[in-house]
Amino acid sequence: GAVVSQHPSWVICKSGTSVKIECRSLDFQATTMFWYRQFPKQSLMLMATSNEGSKATYEQGVEKDKFLINHASLTLSTLTVTSAHPEDSSFYICSASPGNSYNEQFFGPGTRLTVL
Amino acid sequence: AQSVTQLDSQVPVFEEAPVELRCNYSSSVSVYLFWYVQYPNQGLQLLLKYLSGSTLVKGINGFEAEFNKSQTSFHLRKPSVHISDTAEYFCAVTESGGSYIPTFGRGTSLIVHP
Repeated sequence: GAVVSQHPSWVICKSGTSVKIECRSLDFQATTMFWYRQFPKQSLMLMATSNEGSKATYEQGVEKDKFLINHASLTLSTLTVTSAHPEDSSFYICSASPGNSYNEQFFGPGTRLTVL
Repeated sequence: AQSVTQLDSQVPVFEEAPVELRCNYSSSVSVYLFWYVQYPNQGLQLLLKYLSGSTLVKGINGFEAEFNKSQTSFHLRKPSVHISDTAEYFCAVTESGGSYIPTFGRGTSLIVHP
């Protein structure tokens, strides 16, 4: 149980285009979903927290107009990188929480974004 | 606010040898502690967690960790490692009674040599 999927697992796009990444909780309802960014050989950096049906809460320094997050249902959240540039290339990981007392998170497999 | 320190960025070890990955945290309130493993180009997988109770926590793949409140540590151990344990290991902490958003350490790369 507690499986989280991400799609696509990797994507290559041209500079200036937008890319959408999906995060789904397959066997539980996720009251909260999290989006992280990970640079090579570094830890996870929390980008934003989203609750179903409400606006995402972005961490300081994360551009909300560039990284659009939609938590449309209790099993789906999407991250859209708008007008992507090479510096947006990174590994993006989502996690989902069923909302238990300590907000346990279940992580997706990640999406490798390369912007040319 | 909580913080996590993983002092060792890389730990090389020979197969079948024991290993300890160190994690220290800082917090003014009670905490929950986690260890995750990340294989190349994959997400994080939970190895074990400490919420309350026994300070010795056993996890998957033969790993265990001990919560030491006085030393604010949560070191991860395995008595005999395998080549397949080569991966990145992250320690994380959340504060009880707060938002429960975890803070991750910078990670320790465990490299198991044959």
